[in-house]
Formats: sequence, structure tokens, C-alpha cells
Amino acid sequence: DIVMTQTPLSLSVTPGQPASISCKSSQSLLHSDGKTYLYWYLQKPGQSPQLLIYEVSSRFSGVPDRFSGSGSGTDFTLKISRVEAEDVGVYYCMQGIHLRTFGQGTKVEIK
Amino acid sequence: EVQLVESGGVVVQPGGSLRLSCAASGFTFDDYTMHWVRQAPGKGLEWVSLISWDGGSTYYADSVKGRFTISRDNSKNSLYLQMNSLRTEDTALYYCAKDGRLSYWGQGTLVTVSS
Repeated sequence: DIVMTQTPLSLSVTPGQPASISCKSSQSLLHSDGKTYLYWYLQKPGQSPQLLIYEVSSRFSGVPDRFSGSGSGTDFTLKISRVEAEDVGVYYCMQGIHLRTFGQGTKVEIK
Repeated sequence: EVQLVESGGVVVQPGGSLRLSCAASGFTFDDYTMHWVRQAPGKGLEWVSLISWDGGSTYYADSVKGRFTISRDNSKNSLYLQMNSLRTEDTALYYCAKDGRLSYWGQGTLVTVSS
């Protein structure tokens, strides 16, 4: 089974400042079709998860451009260029190359 | 607008059975793989199961394999999860999600396994 490891597990950010979350997979997420199946989700308090980023770096419909994803192989990063109050919640990475596995989640709060 | 509405969550005793449903609308249901994901109270997300667009392929997390069965009825735009031999550790909010990216999620239905 593929294990997804996120760091840090919690993050306190001043509004307007950047934030970064790391996600590492126990196996490469690069498929033979050339795509890398790594996704990022945000679960806001009291809400269902929402897709932010798919295939490492593609923003989903309606996602603000302050969110960006990068990485390759087994190491990935989600960056928020300038954190806003509405960005609070728990961020999860997920692999999609073999079934699905989520990271533990990273709780982001505002200072 | 894509909508996914789960139902069927209740309180059930250990060893009991339950069937969850997910009603889909706003997209061509039989074009897409569908998933079940659960979240125990105060915990993270755990992928449970997926089913191909035509129901021909199904996959499960090891934690539910042999106890849960995913199915779909494309004529009713509906997804199901039959849950047997329930354990206390199956207590969770169960979400259905659309497609390989899990691009849309329902609001979830709460399953509580307790004596």
C-alpha cells in the first residue's frame, strides 16, 4: 500500500503571508501514461472536502490562483502565496495511482 | 450543478448491516467512476471503495474488504454501499465522491456502530 506523509501537521499563518505544506509518497506517483496522480483537498470547518489541485499542479475550477502545487515522483508541495481567513481548515494530499490513499492532514489556522 | 446526496446512516449494533445510498444529479452519472470515503469523528479521511462507470470493476480498502460491497444503478443515478458485519471502528461520516479526481463530494451520512 502507498503511504502518504504530510508535514507539518499544523500551521499557524499570519494573513497575507505565504504557507507551504509538504506531502511525500512511499512510491512514485508517476504513471506510465505520463501523468502524476497527486491531488490536494481542503476541508473547511464543518464542510465536506473540496478539490483544490489535481495531477500535482492543475487548479480545479474556481480555485484561486494563490494556490499552487508542485513536485514530482514522491515529493510534492502545496503553496498558498498569501493566506486569507477563508483558507483555514485541514488540507489533505491524496494519491491516485493505486486505489486512493490520503495523507494525515495539515490543519491551517490564522494567527 | 453537480449534487451528491447521501442517505441511510443510522445507529446500528456491532455485527449489524446497513445500506448507504448516494443520489447523483447535475452530470451524466454513468460516465464516471464513483467512490466512498469515510471520516471517523475528529479524524482524517479514509478511502473506502470505488466502482467503475459500468459497475464492472470494484475495489476496496483492506479495512472493509469482505464486509462492504459497492454497487450502482445507472438507471437511477444512484450509488450504494452495503455494509455488513459492522464494527465500532466503522463509525464515521460516509461521503460519496465523483470521478477519479474525487472532484465533488456530498455532505455525508453518519453511521454510528454502538451497542
